[in-house]
Amino acid sequence: TQTVSQSDAHVTVFEGDSVELRCNYSYGGSIYLSWYIQHHGRGLQFLLKYYSGNPVVQGVNGFEAEFSKSDSSFHLRKASVHWSDSAVYFCAVSARGSALGRLHFGAGTQLIVIP
Amino acid sequence: EAAVTQSPRNKVTVTGGNVTLSCRQTNSHNYMYWYRQDTGHGLRLIHYSYGAGNLQIGDVPDGYKATRTTQEDFFLLLELASPSQTSLYFCASSGRDRGNERLFFGHGTKLSVL
Repeated sequence: TQTVSQSDAHVTVFEGDSVELRCNYSYGGSIYLSWYIQHHGRGLQFLLKYYSGNPVVQGVNGFEAEFSKSDSSFHLRKASVHWSDSAVYFCAVSARGSALGRLHFGAGTQLIVIP
Repeated sequence: EAAVTQSPRNKVTVTGGNVTLSCRQTNSHNYMYWYRQDTGHGLRLIHYSYGAGNLQIGDVPDGYKATRTTQEDFFLLLELASPSQTSLYFCASSGRDRGNERLFFGHGTKLSVL
């Protein structure tokens, strides 16, 4: 069974705080891992993706994520959040060799940043 | 930036109704996708296509048909709509952007089946 788990439905922080959004997966075979952001009323936008190599990947707007094979995790982090980072964040997994959009998504984590 | 346009933005129909959701991309991408988004589930893939005339089944295809008429246009069809198909539908295309392959999403279509 292929699953993507985002354990926190909501995370609330103050502007300037650091934040970590958690993602754990259960997936057989070789995979790609990615994060997407969805602002209210909009479609998803790509943040970053991990293929292989350096387990820490850098994305847009100061986001980074770290892959851990031992923990089956791909947590998203940002050192200092801005109010505009308030959005829903989705972790996604896809099998290598499949179409890029053949993704399995987590349920999402809503990040609320208090100014 | 690559563009994916969905229409309509909102649609209300009745149970048993016939609905067509439209998606157009002007990015010359081969792949296009239809997802539905429901609370607690994230996005789930309904159908996808890698070119005109091609159709691939996704993870939740029951009750949906799709047709890729051209490189640009991908339609999702609900021929006998049911209340369980009330959802937010997203179309996406995939291709290269500044050297990286990535997905580009439309703004979504909110469908209500009464």
